[in-house]
Amino acid sequence: DSGVTQTPKHLITATGQRVTLRCSPRSGDLSVYWYQQSLDQGLQFLIQYYNGEERAKGNILERFSAQQFPDLHSELNLSSLELGDSALYFCASSGSTSGSYEQYFGPGTRLTVT
Amino acid sequence: GQNIDQPTEMTATEGAIVQINCTYQTSGFNGLFWYQQHAGEAPTFLSYNVLDGLEEKGRFSSFLSRSKGYSYLLLKELQMKDSASYLCAVRVSGNQFYFGTGTSLTVIP
Repeated sequence: DSGVTQTPKHLITATGQRVTLRCSPRSGDLSVYWYQQSLDQGLQFLIQYYNGEERAKGNILERFSAQQFPDLHSELNLSSLELGDSALYFCASSGSTSGSYEQYFGPGTRLTVT
Repeated sequence: GQNIDQPTEMTATEGAIVQINCTYQTSGFNGLFWYQQHAGEAPTFLSYNVLDGLEEKGRFSSFLSRSKGYSYLLLKELQMKDSASYLCAVRVSGNQFYFGTGTSLTVIP
């Protein structure tokens, strides 16, 4: 158990809909990262937040957005869903100490768009 | 762009040693990670290299050559539970992370 929690575990929705994925980092971790993992593309970095502020942006679509709240939990919002958005979405957190880049991954949310 | 290459699949025998290679072409290199991922599970951290050389951690070791854009993960005394996907990931400036597509290792008796 990494200490990172993600909800829900599974999500099935239709094209065009909007969903919100939630992540709680390990106690004390200030950084939260979001990743998308699909069979054909491997693990893709989407976005990172550090203590409530956006820190780095990867291959995140404009239809996707994220935020980190004062209690450090984070949400990833996916809108106008397409079939190709079906994937496993992971959240990871890393420590607050300088130079600590080891990331602890949550169990993931499996999104199926039909 | 960023490019990370790893072999797609490898097979090795229980008790043996296996080396999984990773080559990368990135700008603003800031460190290389190895993660293990069992099917249907989350990746778990194995190692982090930012300087050239070998880092040893029990049965696992990781090597980095920054000048060659090359790393390897060495697994010794292979066990059946080591059957998993091994992901090489690079951290670049701007704190972005790029993962390879992973090497699926199968350990056979």
